[in-house]
Amino acid sequence: DAGITQSPRHKVTETGTPVTLRCHQTENHRYMYWYRQDPGHGLRLIHYSYGVKDTDKGEVSDGYSVSRSKTEDFLLTLESATSSQTSVYFCAISDQHRAKRYEQYFGPGTRLTVT
Amino acid sequence: QQPVQSPQAVILREGEDAVINCSSSKALYSVHWYRQKHGEAPVFLMILLKGGEQKGHEKISASFNEKKQQSSLYLTASQLSYSGTYFCGTGDYGGATNKLIFGTGTLLAVQP
Repeated sequence: DAGITQSPRHKVTETGTPVTLRCHQTENHRYMYWYRQDPGHGLRLIHYSYGVKDTDKGEVSDGYSVSRSKTEDFLLTLESATSSQTSVYFCAISDQHRAKRYEQYFGPGTRLTVT
Repeated sequence: QQPVQSPQAVILREGEDAVINCSSSKALYSVHWYRQKHGEAPVFLMILLKGGEQKGHEKISASFNEKKQQSSLYLTASQLSYSGTYFCGTGDYGGATNKLIFGTGTLLAVQP
């Protein structure tokens, strides 16, 4: 299994508070992604990173920001959490130069509830 | 833009076969298939690249028709362990970012 951890695994927070989720990898993969998963919507890409300090928006980026100051960590921040951001958040990693080519490995997920 | 998966759900008896389809309105470079069990993370099954290749993983195989912008996942002689939600992820460019757009999933339940 790919070495990906997410923290925290569960969090309950109040509307309007800032929240930061962390994704940590030990695989030295270049690409990292944040997804949210909601019933009926599948997995939707929030932000992704293609290198240290290199990030870009995904399809549902409003209300989220990210940072990647080193290869192994990718942080997702909800500046002011809203109830619509209640979801399960998955981090994934990928590397273009490996034999298995582009497959994404997912972390265990973080269940976030905004009350 | 999100690929459409069909059927949305399917119930099988052990040993039966199933086909899950993934269709996109955009030209595709690659299709990825993942399986997710309840309460767990998605797990990679296989990737198919432009060129119509067919891949296999145990008794699970897939095809990719780039002209029709479709991929199908074939589950043969299903086992209880095949139960879960199957997602296709489509990539329109095989370059630097490997961004995928995922379908909404197909719930597969295999019963004894």
